[in-house]
Amino acid sequence: KAGVTQTPRYLIKTRGQQVTLSCSPISGHRSVSWYQQTPGQGLQFLFEYFSETQRNKGNFPGRFSGRQFSNSRSEMNVSTLELGDSALYLCASSLVTGGTSGANVLTFGAGSRLTVL
Amino acid sequence: KNEVEQSPQNLTAQEGEFITINCSYSVGISALHWLQQHPGGGIVSLFMLSSGKKKHGRLIATINIQEKHSSLHITASHPRDSAVYICAVPGATQGGSEKLVFGKGTKLTVNP
Repeated sequence: KAGVTQTPRYLIKTRGQQVTLSCSPISGHRSVSWYQQTPGQGLQFLFEYFSETQRNKGNFPGRFSGRQFSNSRSEMNVSTLELGDSALYLCASSLVTGGTSGANVLTFGAGSRLTVL
Repeated sequence: KNEVEQSPQNLTAQEGEFITINCSYSVGISALHWLQQHPGGGIVSLFMLSSGKKKHGRLIATINIQEKHSSLHITASHPRDSAVYICAVPGATQGGSEKLVFGKGTKLTVNP
């Protein structure tokens, strides 16, 4: 069973550019959530998609956006990149089985490491 | 908003030692997650628990809902256990959302 696949694994951008990251969940998983990890702030929730709908959003500016396709694959986009956007971006998928918040096992991808120069 | 505190931040042990990592949170939860992150970034979900205790190999996780506290224990620690261990709790009230709030992590180094 293939795991969660994130592409690209590494990328370097310059300030002002935009970037798109992709996440392919485990087959059958309909929930995809995105997280940002930095040395200073640790892991922070960005947003979560379920059946192509954004279910929740973290406290990030509007430059951060995402979407989910009908095959559950998800993309996140960061526009007008800033130096502070340099981070490891992780996505996770889960087989949502009930309505209880945060009570589903997450499977994480290896992450996309973004460096903004 | 749930606040998550982990201790210690850093932990160095000798191979074979018994390890305990603690996690406290401020708001009642439905479940708590323990995650492991090795150098390089990949995160693995170790446990998700809502009550009592769970065991997987040499790892044991416990949770006390009344005290809002969880512990992760590693018995007979090994250098391959060296990693960052992260505690996470739900951060949303709406049903089914996977929004999590994370602790800062505990960096464990096990020396041979």
